[in-house]
Amino acid sequence: DAGVTQSPTHLIKTRGQQVTLRCSPKSGHDTVSWYQQALGQGPQFIFQYYEEEERQRGNFPDRFSGHQFPNYSSELNVNALLLGDSALYLCASSSLGSGDTEAFFGQGTRLTVV
Amino acid sequence: AQTVTQSQPEMSVQEAETVTLSCTYDTSESDYYLFWYKQPPSRQMILVIRQEAYKQQNATENRFSVNFQKAAKSFSLKISDSQLGDAAMYFCAYRGKYTNAGKSTFGDGTTLTVKP
Repeated sequence: DAGVTQSPTHLIKTRGQQVTLRCSPKSGHDTVSWYQQALGQGPQFIFQYYEEEERQRGNFPDRFSGHQFPNYSSELNVNALLLGDSALYLCASSSLGSGDTEAFFGQGTRLTVV
Repeated sequence: AQTVTQSQPEMSVQEAETVTLSCTYDTSESDYYLFWYKQPPSRQMILVIRQEAYKQQNATENRFSVNFQKAAKSFSLKISDSQLGDAAMYFCAYRGKYTNAGKSTFGDGTTLTVKP
């Protein structure tokens, strides 16, 4: 079992650009959540996808958007990048469909905005 | 809104000794989950232990145990017989069972150093 995989592992972008991060959930999981972790802080919830729809959203601007595909994988898109978007982006998968709320995390994508 | 507070930014422990990491939270919900996660330099968040609020018995996982005080909204993690591999950032997290069930709220973490 490959667990939760995220790509790319590192990324450098320029202010104003757009970025797409990808996440493949653990086998058997149907739900993907995205978190932003700034340096020295705990992860902050961005949103969650289940059955290809955004199920819940944290306090993030509309520049942050996502998508879930029929195979349960997910993308996080960030438009008009700001320096403050530099962070570790974590993806977590779980199996809400079976009532199991335990989340498994990927190793994250380190985004640097210059 | 739920909040999670970890008041110890850094802790250190001698190898083979015991250390306790503190966590307090605030919620108006009666049923929820609490978690401790470990994040080593590899960055992957690893679940250490989980507690369901309606269960009065404190959760244990080998050398890891919690002291869950629901009325005080306190959820501390005890690590016994500390090992060098326990060195990492530890996060306390809250998740509602019904309201906001998909969202975990994390504290800002405690960096644990294990001295040989």
